[in-house]
Amino acid sequence: EAGVTQSPTHLIKTRGQQATLRCSPISGHTSVYWYQQALGLGLQFLLWYDEGEERNRGNFPPRFSGRQFPNYSSELNVNALELEDSALYLCASTPGWGETQYFGPGTRLLVL
Amino acid sequence: GENVEQHPSTLSVQEGDSAVIKCTYSDSASNYFPWYKQELGKGPQLIIDIRSNVGEKKDQRIAVTLNKTAKHFSLHITETQPEDSAVYFCAPGDSGYSTLTFGKGTMLLVSP
Repeated sequence: EAGVTQSPTHLIKTRGQQATLRCSPISGHTSVYWYQQALGLGLQFLLWYDEGEERNRGNFPPRFSGRQFPNYSSELNVNALELEDSALYLCASTPGWGETQYFGPGTRLLVL
Repeated sequence: GENVEQHPSTLSVQEGDSAVIKCTYSDSASNYFPWYKQELGKGPQLIIDIRSNVGEKKDQRIAVTLNKTAKHFSLHITETQPEDSAVYFCAPGDSGYSTLTFGKGTMLLVSP
């Protein structure tokens, strides 16, 4: 069974640009979660999508947004990039609410 | 919101020794207590979890114990091996709403 996949693996942008990160959940999973892992810090919860709807949002500004498509894959968009947005962005999926979260390998975003 | 503290932040042991990592949380509504292992360049992987109606769970060399009254749970690894070297995260949550709050992580180094 294929795990959670994320693309691209690495992304380099300059300050003020926009970044789009993609996540494909495990087959049969309907919920997708996004986390930010800055260097030396733990995982900070960003967004949770389930059945195409945003269900919960972490303490991040509105320039962090996303969506979930009918096939349950998801996209995270970060507008007006700032240097401190440089981090590993992790996606996780679950088959439903309250289930174990399975993580992808992440997208490493570098903002110059 | 949930406050999560992990101790120690780094732990060095000799191969064959035991390792214990403690996680303290603040939200009494938390009822799901997982531990994740993150190796360099990879996303976190669930290694063991416990729900609030259980006090202890064991899986081969790994165990988790929960003290819900004192609001802490611990990861125990026996007969450590070099491949156990990684960063370990606790992530207590309310499974009903699928929100996990991650600790800052414990770097475990197992020397041969």
